[in-house]
Amino acid sequence: SQKIEQNSEALNIQEGKTATLTCNYTNYSPAYLQWYRQDPGRGPVFLLLIRENEKEKRKERLKVTFDTTLKQSLFHITAAQPADSATYLCALEGGGSQGNLIFGKGTKLSVKP
Amino acid sequence: NAGVTQTPKFQVLKTGQSMTLQCAQDMNHNSMYWYRQDPGMGLRLIYYSASEGTTDKGEVPNGYNVSRLNKREFSLRLESAAPSQTSVYFCASSRFGQGGSDTQYFGPGTRLTVL
Repeated sequence: SQKIEQNSEALNIQEGKTATLTCNYTNYSPAYLQWYRQDPGRGPVFLLLIRENEKEKRKERLKVTFDTTLKQSLFHITAAQPADSATYLCALEGGGSQGNLIFGKGTKLSVKP
Repeated sequence: NAGVTQTPKFQVLKTGQSMTLQCAQDMNHNSMYWYRQDPGMGLRLIYYSASEGTTDKGEVPNGYNVSRLNKREFSLRLESAAPSQTSVYFCASSRFGQGGSDTQYFGPGTRLTVL
């Protein structure tokens, strides 16, 4: 079955630095990969979607890469700010019926002033 | 637009009691989902509805039932609550339900404790 791993439960960085979060997957070749942000006590919010034929996607200070050979996606936040502190989830299509996503367990990012 | 709304926000049940979690979306989305989120386990799909009138089991359906009442509403029912069902429940919707290309919009969650 598909397996998705975010290999850091928590990541602490200083304000202004670049945060890099990793998402690895096995036993699958997804055509799409998504990243979500979740704040404490709230539901996840969609950030970015990247397709298998896209090496990189950007949105303001966010950048996502998708390496289908390594079966890995990297999520970067440049010039990180304390307001970026949250849990970030990666998700890929479940391979079953339509619309399903499998979510990683998330990486909790803390940006210190 | 309110997006995805869920009621109640919090609930405490005793073992064996039943309850229904309500979810509604006002985005005219075709697909709706119920997840549970537990510490260390991440989000796990309970049931989903690809379109009005259809429902299917997800990863962890045991102990739950669902009803897609209409295009807007998707309810989750616990017939006989167990402590193992203590969790945070999220409802989500997506426009087309077309696999990984379709982004999901989540509600604020229901925090359920079963004593």
